[in-house]
Amino acid sequence: DGGITQSPKYLFRKEGQNVTLSCEQNLNHDAMYWYRQDPGQGLRLIYYSQIVNDFQKGDIAEGYSVSREKKESFPLTVTSAQKNPTAFYLCASSVAISPQHFGDGTRLSIL
Amino acid sequence: AQTVTQSQPEMSVQEAETVTLSCTYDTSENNYYLFWYKQPPSRQMILVIRQEAYKQQNATENRFSVNFQKAAKSFSLKISDSQLGDTAMYFCAFMKPSTGNQFYFGTGTSLTVIP
Repeated sequence: DGGITQSPKYLFRKEGQNVTLSCEQNLNHDAMYWYRQDPGQGLRLIYYSQIVNDFQKGDIAEGYSVSREKKESFPLTVTSAQKNPTAFYLCASSVAISPQHFGDGTRLSIL
Repeated sequence: AQTVTQSQPEMSVQEAETVTLSCTYDTSENNYYLFWYKQPPSRQMILVIRQEAYKQQNATENRFSVNFQKAAKSFSLKISDSQLGDTAMYFCAFMKPSTGNQFYFGTGTSLTVIP
């Protein structure tokens, strides 16, 4: 079955450490997105990519980085510059004007 | 910037009753799309219903329907015959093709269905 796979489901980060969240899709979608979800808030866009080797910053890109070397993959790195990284992270993909399909999310916590 | 407002942080409804969740949005665009997503305790985001702005007819999906008022920029979700499995966070979302299909989400409404 086609879908979006996010891994790991839970991730812990030490102070000063970079961590990478994985997002893979086999839906053949062109566009991919990363969102951050905090309690009581909606989804806020971190980065998005419409085609391979191209991506744009969203509303809260500071402290994050991404790459899009393959159509299927859009990993998100949470850098040490992100001072409040504890949150639930959702990856999504879409094609044309279709609704976004979401992965099951990764919960990141600080040790 | 596009904004989506959900003014009801929490709502509850008796099982088998009907409930309406509110959503308003702000845009100067004429071509856009609106969505309602459901996020149950599992945290998975599930598409509930979709509405194209150019369509006057309100979208319907089984027990879920919308009241789309384009002039008022209002997009409410009606859930009929509420079931316990409807308990979830509900997010209203706005998308416009002119910004690369970027989605804008409201802050959500937590709905509890009471047995």
